[in-house]
Amino acid sequence: DVKVTQSSRYLVKRTGEKVFLECVQDMDHENMFWYRQDPGLGLRLIYFSYDVKMKEKGDIPEGYSVSREKKERFSLILESASTNQTSMYLCASSSDMIRETYEQYFGPGTRLTVT
Amino acid sequence: KNEVEQSPQNLTAQEGEFITINCSYSVGISALHWLQQHPGGGIVSLFMLSSGKKKHGRLIATINIQEKHSSLHITASHPRDSAVYICAVLGGSQGNLIFGKGTKLSVKP
Repeated sequence: DVKVTQSSRYLVKRTGEKVFLECVQDMDHENMFWYRQDPGLGLRLIYFSYDVKMKEKGDIPEGYSVSREKKERFSLILESASTNQTSMYLCASSSDMIRETYEQYFGPGTRLTVT
Repeated sequence: KNEVEQSPQNLTAQEGEFITINCSYSVGISALHWLQQHPGGGIVSLFMLSSGKKKHGRLIATINIQEKHSSLHITASHPRDSAVYICAVLGGSQGNLIFGKGTKLSVKP
């Protein structure tokens, strides 16, 4: 089974702190994604990566950065956390964006609260 | 206007009822996904389809490409089907998934 793991299920941080959210997948997938999910807004794409050291902005990249130094790991960084970044963060990975069998596999999510 | 619209937003059903959740989209797509998210956050993929119909157990997904519409049906619903069901289309300008806002289903015993 594909496994996507996230470093924490619940996280509480203070305003201004630097926050690292880690995601690891074990299926040698090329593509990895970070989403945030908020009530009434659904899932929104923050950043994604097609390959090691490559990154692309999604719909809401402001206030976030990412790092992909190894194929299996994709990190989301909040340089200076703010209360409006309180949300559920979901990581996903997929093998290929073009093929018919394209499918994204999701991690369990990290519920981040910024106080 | 959202590119992916789901209806209804919330749905309450009695155990055993037949359930339909609808998804309409306005962009050209190569595939459509139905996802399930249980309380606690984990998301699993139920179906990916680009034409016709797929069935898995009590779940059936259909898509009409010409009408840009898909439906997810649940037969003989059960309380364990209670979850948020999310429609997502593959076809954004960057080739990424575009998500609907989800339909929250509660099945009462």
